[in-house]
Amino acid sequence: DAMVIQNPRYQVTQFGKPVTLSCSQTLNHNVMYWYQQKSSQAPKLLFHYYDKDFNNEADTPDNFQSRRPNTSFCFLDIRSPGLGDAAMYLCATSTQGDYNEQFFGPGTRLTVL
Amino acid sequence: QKEVEQNSGPLSVPEGAIASLNCTYSDRGSQSFFWYRQYSGKSPELIMSIYSNGDKEDGRFTAQLNKASQYVSLLIRDSQPSDSATYLCAVSLNDMRFGAGTRLTVKP
Repeated sequence: DAMVIQNPRYQVTQFGKPVTLSCSQTLNHNVMYWYQQKSSQAPKLLFHYYDKDFNNEADTPDNFQSRRPNTSFCFLDIRSPGLGDAAMYLCATSTQGDYNEQFFGPGTRLTVL
Repeated sequence: QKEVEQNSGPLSVPEGAIASLNCTYSDRGSQSFFWYRQYSGKSPELIMSIYSNGDKEDGRFTAQLNKASQYVSLLIRDSQPSDSATYLCAVSLNDMRFGAGTRLTVKP
């Protein structure tokens, strides 16, 4: 089945220790998104790619970086995680067009100690 | 004013009843509207999309859109305990903007 996969599902890191989250997709969608979601809050868009074109949200901290080496894979790097970065990180994909239906992976729950 | 507003709930309905979830949005130019279901600790799952004024039905779910009032709703008929979840309203113009969700509890 076509799907969006995220690894790991749970990640524990220490304050300030870099962490990388990965996302892969078999939907062949050209748009990929990274969201941060904290408890009882709306998903917050961090950045997205139209193909290889990177689009950063204005309020995304510099501590967050992303890479998309090919159509199928996208990575989220948190260079120096703080306690406030503990959240669920969601990867989503869509086709570029008017309708923008987005399909989410299962998410990675990040804990910062 | 938030871009997408939803009543946080919780909304509690008995099994078999109709659950009505509401959402308002601020950007009058928005083109696409979505309802996602999110179980606790899980990721959002797309359940309905609607693009034009009126009603759209899919099984027990009906989405309603009124662009003039900047209002979108989701009706769940014959609610089941398995429908207990948080329902996120999402609105898209260039980027997707999500509401914080309404928590629905269906009591047996």
